[in-house]
Amino acid sequence: DADVTQTPRNRITKTGKRIMLECSQTKGHDRMYWYRQDPGLGLRLIYYSFDVKDINKGEISDGYSVSRQAQAKFSLSLESAIPNQTALYFCATSERRETGELFFGEGSRLTVL
Amino acid sequence: GQNIDQPTEMTATEGAIVQINCTYQTSGFNGLFWYQQHAGEAPTFLSYNVLDGLEEKGRFSSFLSRSKGYSYLLLKELQMKDSASYLCAVMDSNYQLIWGAGTKLIIKP
Repeated sequence: DADVTQTPRNRITKTGKRIMLECSQTKGHDRMYWYRQDPGLGLRLIYYSFDVKDINKGEISDGYSVSRQAQAKFSLSLESAIPNQTALYFCATSERRETGELFFGEGSRLTVL
Repeated sequence: GQNIDQPTEMTATEGAIVQINCTYQTSGFNGLFWYQQHAGEAPTFLSYNVLDGLEEKGRFSSFLSRSKGYSYLLLKELQMKDSASYLCAVMDSNYQLIWGAGTKLIIKP
């Protein structure tokens, strides 16, 4: 089983719908991240959390929200999906900020029609 | 602004050597990272450089020159399984990772 698990792996939805992407990890890491990846662009940070009580906005947080339900769980919500949120979304964890070694989930491909 | 530049695509032959370059301009520097990402899969960590010089790890080596804002990833004895995208990322002064768009490496037999 993967150490960082994302659900769903694929989702097609319509404009205006609410969508939640879930991430769970068994690595015991405190730090968790949500990224999106678009063709021709680098990974862009949406939100990150350094522990259960800590939530921080990343580079592109508008239109997204997150919840850190437990050390092992970090979910990303799109309250009202729009077509330009069509992307590949990755959850990641890290042990310490200094090393920069991230452990990624398998990705969630979201299509908004 | 912060910027990471790397070639969009490169082609090399099985068994050969390829060098993938990365140049960066960031607000501060706390290390440079290379990740490998196979199509449709998650990125996986390859290397980390924080001091100038060459770090070797098997068939892969990574070089850093902080004064030039430059790094390269060197892949030797290329194998078909090395066909992937290679992502360069720099950790800035706030310990945030800034990512390049990635270099798609195509290996031909």
